[in-house]
Amino acid sequence: EDQVTQSPEALRLQEGESSSLNCSYTVSGLRGLFWYRQDPGKGPEFLFTLYSAGEEKEKERLKATLTKKESFLHITAPKPEDSATYLCAVQAGGANSKLTFGKGITLSVRP
Amino acid sequence: GAVVSQHPSRVICKSGTSVKIECRSLDFQATTMFWYRQFPKQSLMLMATSNEGSKATYEQGVEKDKFLINHASLTLSTLTVTSAHPEDSSFYICSARDFQGAYGYTFGSGTRLTVV
Repeated sequence: EDQVTQSPEALRLQEGESSSLNCSYTVSGLRGLFWYRQDPGKGPEFLFTLYSAGEEKEKERLKATLTKKESFLHITAPKPEDSATYLCAVQAGGANSKLTFGKGITLSVRP
Repeated sequence: GAVVSQHPSRVICKSGTSVKIECRSLDFQATTMFWYRQFPKQSLMLMATSNEGSKATYEQGVEKDKFLINHASLTLSTLTVTSAHPEDSSFYICSARDFQGAYGYTFGSGTRLTVV
């Protein structure tokens, strides 16, 4: 059974204080690892897809990396507007197979 | 980018009535739709997967007669909660994917259902 574990559950940062969010996974045949941002009362918003170990992707203050066992979402000099829940999900199996989500990490950035 | 429109965003219904939630892909053909349920401060739990023109596949423990899913076209899927009860109150989210996965997994904005 595919499993995704995210840590920590919650993270409070001061504005400008860089940090990393962790996503550990166990899956048979990783097809893709996805990062989403979710604001309260909204659906998940796509951030990144990583496909193979060693791959990295960046978008503004966010950088996602992938190894064979885990992925990190690095946040550089965060701003209050980065406050949200960050979800990690894995896809295994066929091209249109389901995503398995972790429980998410709630990030709060204080001004 | 790909857009999935989900309506309504909020609905309140009386216990025993049925509620329909719509999910539309606006700029791509959604060959596969996923329906999720999310409880407060919890992650997304997959309820069912549907392919256009086929019956939905429900996850273990999800009552298929209670949560009716229709995916009759490549741009529209609906979730009907039948004979709703207060314990069905939750946040429901759809996700759409095209055949080749060119648009990834695109999520709707969610529907907050409250059963009173």
